[in-house]
Amino acid sequence: SQQGEEDPQALSIQEGENATMNCSYKTSINNLQWYRQNSGRGLVHLILIRSNEREKHSGRLRVTLDTSKKSSSLLITASRAADTASYFCATAPLNDYKLSFGAGTTVTVRA
Amino acid sequence: NAGVTQTPKFQVLKTGQSMTLQCAQDMNHEYMSWYRQDPGMGLRLIHYSVGAGITDQGEVPNGYNVSRSTTEDFPLRLLSAAPSQTSVYFCASSYGGLNTEAFFGQGTRLTVV
Repeated sequence: SQQGEEDPQALSIQEGENATMNCSYKTSINNLQWYRQNSGRGLVHLILIRSNEREKHSGRLRVTLDTSKKSSSLLITASRAADTASYFCATAPLNDYKLSFGAGTTVTVRA
Repeated sequence: NAGVTQTPKFQVLKTGQSMTLQCAQDMNHEYMSWYRQDPGMGLRLIHYSVGAGITDQGEVPNGYNVSRSTTEDFPLRLLSAAPSQTSVYFCASSYGGLNTEAFFGQGTRLTVV
């Protein structure tokens, strides 16, 4: 069964706006990761946040993690057309390498 | 810098045929895994390996077989293809320690008719 679930399933925004998507998971984790997938391509790692971290930044990306609520959010600021993609959260359970992926959020950035 | 290479990119099989999806990585990663991606279902783990000679089952292993004779290669075998195995298959690798990112291949789109 899938560990993470993203919300919303789809998101359409105007270029320059911010995009926020959420991920909820069920069991304790070692870390949570976000990946991007452009249409017809493989997944690309964006950011990893450890269970003892609450917030992390990478360029225009901001990730938060709330282990008490078992949830994470990914914020993309000042979106661009190139940000159009599907975004997946993946969780690594305690003391395990296996990543469990959610179904993803499809983001469309309109010019 | 090739990263994770999957072949073929596209394949059509008839029901009952067998085939091997190839995956190779040149990053000396210990951990390798195979996922399948179906619409609306995200990625589901089929099999994984924590090093040469060691493999284990993931979430959806039935109908698939793997082996890991070298660090670089992790082939996925479909024993007797079924239409339910129509999917996009991704191979991934990572250093294998905790808190490491996964590197993905470009995928193999498989259709079983």
